[in-house]
Amino acid sequence: GQQVMQIPQYQHVQEGEDFTTYCNSSTTLSNIQWYKQRPGGHPVFLIQLVKSGEVKKQKRLTFQFGEAKKNSSLHITATQTTDVGTYFCAGPGYNFNKFYFGSGTKLNVKP
Amino acid sequence: SAVISQKPSRDICQRGTSLTIQCQVDSQVTMMFWYRQQPGQSLTLIATANQGSEATYESGFVIDKFPISRPNLTFSTLTVSNMSPEDSSIYLCSVEARRGTGELFFGEGSRLTVL
Repeated sequence: GQQVMQIPQYQHVQEGEDFTTYCNSSTTLSNIQWYKQRPGGHPVFLIQLVKSGEVKKQKRLTFQFGEAKKNSSLHITATQTTDVGTYFCAGPGYNFNKFYFGSGTKLNVKP
Repeated sequence: SAVISQKPSRDICQRGTSLTIQCQVDSQVTMMFWYRQQPGQSLTLIATANQGSEATYESGFVIDKFPISRPNLTFSTLTVSNMSPEDSSIYLCSVEARRGTGELFFGEGSRLTVL
């Protein structure tokens, strides 16, 4: 399957601080998705990026897709305790109808 | 969107036994995906279940260990056969409700503990 690496593995921040997680692929991706999994929950879709250099925002969350379509990032501005969870990127398989998840970044926000 | 019901939500099983997990979707979907998530780990794709054909397994997963059924467009089962403690994990059923959106919907998961 597709190899999608994600860093960092863990991030502990104080509430109000910013947070960024990075996703890197050795091959060009046709698209990339981001998911959030709360503790004890299942992954929930956040967004899909398709275009080279694409930037999308959802309130305090900013998603970027690299120009070469090999990397992506999720940035959270002024974290809140509700942001706690694990953030996964996911990339398609070579036949584009499967989804392979990155290793995830676990975010902990201290109040 | 898609609403996915998975059963059982959790179970404790004895080594050497088999357990079948059921996944019911509230709409017709072409492909259903089965993932495994071991404690503290990411999601690993086990197989893709297509209606009317055999499931497609990922490297490291075989049909004898994880037989899958897909009798119609709204239902699938995954069986974990001859279980060992290493199979203790959360098993998740997933669908892409609208093809091409990349938006996967997940069931609540089935947490298996093998003693």
